[in-house]
Amino acid sequence: DQQVKQNSPSLSVQEGRISILNCDYTNSMFDYFLWYKKYPAEGPTFLISISSIKDKNEDGRFTVFLNKSAKHLSLHIVPSQPGDSAVYFCAAEISGTYKYIFGTGTRLKVLA
Amino acid sequence: DVKVTQSSRYLVKRTGEKVFLECVQDMDHENMFWYRQDPGLGLRLIYFSYDVKMKEKGDIPEGYSVSREKKERFSLILESASTNQTSMYLCATYEVAKNIQYFGAGTRLSVL
Repeated sequence: DQQVKQNSPSLSVQEGRISILNCDYTNSMFDYFLWYKKYPAEGPTFLISISSIKDKNEDGRFTVFLNKSAKHLSLHIVPSQPGDSAVYFCAAEISGTYKYIFGTGTRLKVLA
Repeated sequence: DVKVTQSSRYLVKRTGEKVFLECVQDMDHENMFWYRQDPGLGLRLIYFSYDVKMKEKGDIPEGYSVSREKKERFSLILESASTNQTSMYLCATYEVAKNIQYFGAGTRLSVL
């Protein structure tokens, strides 16, 4: 039972355009959400997070949106750069458990 | 900077061998995790530890065990390696103050 789903395995975007990565979850107990970026042969690195009390969090070119009623979050990257090409994982946590449930990942390719 | 060090980047082992994967962190974090990453399956939690000598099973503990004798070191043990344990193994620690997991670079294990 996949509690966190990323339905798009891959995404290609032109440099300078917006990248939108999507994530859906099923467990209404999740109250903290994160996005990680992973380059080949490296460990995932934290990108941005959002608490369930918010619906938006922004950090430079990266914005995460949370729609609790739809159990959906998305990551927007504007403008996209070739260095953003990586696999992006969304993750969800029930606060205080310290355990994340990860999605299956979306491979983003930004074309120069 | 948080540093999570996995002792080997690449390992090749034979079926039936006992395999040790080592992870060391330098930030005095209490919570440590072992995941495996497989294409199309994302990151799946094998085991985690919330204190020295304390451990809990994750989602896929079968065929694995762990050891945490010291706070900074968390070891994953494959008692008798099998080909279906060929994977990328990732260690992580959790910083409670920031609600973030930090990952090591990963160990790519091939079992022949």
